[in-house]
Amino acid sequence: DAGVTQSPTHLIKTRGQHVTLRCSPISGHKSVSWYQQVLGQGPQFIFQYYEKEERGRGNFPDRFSARQFPNYSSELNVNALLLGDSALYLCASSLWMRAWETQYFGPGTRLLVL
Amino acid sequence: AQSVSQHNHHVILSEAASLELGCNYSYGGTVNLFWYVQYPGQHLQLLLKYFSGDPLVKGIKGFEAEFIKSKFSFNLRKPSVQWSDTAEYFCAVIFSGTYKYIFGTGTRLKVLA
Repeated sequence: DAGVTQSPTHLIKTRGQHVTLRCSPISGHKSVSWYQQVLGQGPQFIFQYYEKEERGRGNFPDRFSARQFPNYSSELNVNALLLGDSALYLCASSLWMRAWETQYFGPGTRLLVL
Repeated sequence: AQSVSQHNHHVILSEAASLELGCNYSYGGTVNLFWYVQYPGQHLQLLLKYFSGDPLVKGIKGFEAEFIKSKFSFNLRKPSVQWSDTAEYFCAVIFSGTYKYIFGTGTRLKVLA
């Protein structure tokens, strides 16, 4: 079975630009979460979507937004990019939205902002 | 504030040595606890998790972890490491009333052959 897939794998942008990152969950999974992993730190929670509704949001500015589509895939959008947005962006999916469920991570999109 | 701390940032061991990686969390309520591993060039994978029952949890590849509620700890152990265990290990906690992981900063383990 295919795991969580993310596109693109790498991306280079300049300050002020906008970026869209994409995630396809494992087939049948209805929950998608986004995390930002800065070099040398653990992943930080950005958003969680379940059944196409936002169910949780981390401490990120309004420049970050996301959505989930009817097929449960998801997009993460970041506007007005800053140098500090350079990071690995991880998507994770789970079947439902339950605290004891395993979240399955994709390979990530590595974003570099120049 | 809810937080997770991993005290060992870098660990170097020889093959066959025993491993214990510390993980502590800040909150005293109900928690769900996870250890993830990231091998070089690969994505995060679940090693083991605890949400109820026996506080000693066994995971894949010979890893185990013990939940000690009184110490807010969930330490990862392996009796005898192998070169292939070289990776970064992350402790993650889901605190009561939430569904998001709070991750520790990770521990980079290098096993010398």
